[in-house]
Parts: sequence; C-alpha cells; structure tokens
Amino acid sequence: AQSVSQHNHHVILSEAASLELGCNYSYGGTVNLFWYVQYPGQHLQLLLKYFSGDPLVKGIKGFEAEFIKSKFSFNLRKPSVQWSDTAEYFCAVIVFNDYKLSFGAGTTVTVRA
Amino acid sequence: EAGVAQSPRYKIIEKRQSVAFWCNPISGHATLYWYQQILGQGPKLLIQFQNNGVVDDSQLPKDRFSAERLKGVDSTLKIQPAKLEDSAVYLCASSLKIQETQYFGPGTRLLVL
Repeated sequence: AQSVSQHNHHVILSEAASLELGCNYSYGGTVNLFWYVQYPGQHLQLLLKYFSGDPLVKGIKGFEAEFIKSKFSFNLRKPSVQWSDTAEYFCAVIVFNDYKLSFGAGTTVTVRA
Repeated sequence: EAGVAQSPRYKIIEKRQSVAFWCNPISGHATLYWYQQILGQGPKLLIQFQNNGVVDDSQLPKDRFSAERLKGVDSTLKIQPAKLEDSAVYLCASSLKIQETQYFGPGTRLLVL
C-alpha cells in the first residue's frame, strides 16, 4: 500500500527564517503530488501540486516544492516565513491508476513573531 | 465559485447513537470523497464516488458506516451505531474528475461520548 512520510511532526521557527518540510512516498511509478495547508480554524487548502513537467513547482504565498523522482521526495520550501504561515502542512500523493489520495501525518509549523 | 459545503460543523453524540453528515460539492465536480481525520493524523479516505457510483469504499467500516450520493450531487455519510473511536473530523472533498485536484470542505467535528 502507498505510504507518505513527513519527517517532522512539529517545527518552530522565527519570522524570516527559511522553512523546509520533508515528504517521501513509497511508490515507484507515476504519481501526482500535492501539498495542502490548514490554517488555524480554516479548512484544508491546496498550496501547490505537481503532475508533470518542471519538477520545481511554485505555489501560493511564496511556497515552492521540488520533485526528486530518484529520492521519492517532494519537499516543501519557503525562503522566508511570516507569522501568518503558522499552520499544519500535509503532503499527499495519488498513485496513477490507484485513484486514492494518501496523506502524510502532517507537520505543524509555528512561526514566532 | 462556491466551495464545498458541509453540515453540521459540530456534533456531539453518545456512543451507540446514530449521526449523519451532509456534503454539497463544488458545482460540476463529478468526483466526491469522504475522509476521516483523527487528531494528529492525516485524512484517511473512507469512500469515493464518481457521479452516483462508488469507486472505492475499501476503507469504509461497512458494519457501521454508510454513504450515498443520490443524483450524483449531494452526499450523506451515516454512522450507526457510533463508537468512541469514531470521534474525528469528517471531511468532504470534490474534484472535477478522478486524480485531479481535490477541494475540501470545512469538515464536521464529531465527538462521541
């Protein structure tokens, strides 16, 4: 079965610091990859996605992610975080022809002002 | 464009009672999903509809959970009878078609006492 691993459970950092959240998946075939974010009190929102093409994808609010097929990874990055980036971040994967979206356990990011 | 609507937002019941959740997907979205999100975990797919047909319900506890999507639009998820371990947030999502980006509703937070 497909599994998605997020390396950090909770990350605490100061404003203007750089952020990188790790995500690895277990399937070696064709995948669609997503990062979702859940701000406090709000519902899950799409941050960015990768289906094909340029493995470096840019999303909303200055986030980007890089798909490295050889490492089965899709790490999320932001060069300079703001207090408003405090949220829970979920990596998710759809395996081609499986149709099910599998989520990681999530990483809680707390940005201190 | 209106998002995915869910109701109720919160529900408290006693174990062995029944409960139902309602979801209205984004207009035109053929695929509808129900997820269960237990505290500290990522969402887990319970059931997936394509129009009014079930695509996958392999992770739905069918002895107590049921779902339907009459007329291929709105959907209801029912739990009967509820157990303590059913306490979770129940998320509804929709997408234009399978393997496309899923858009999530605000969820229903269920507490079973």
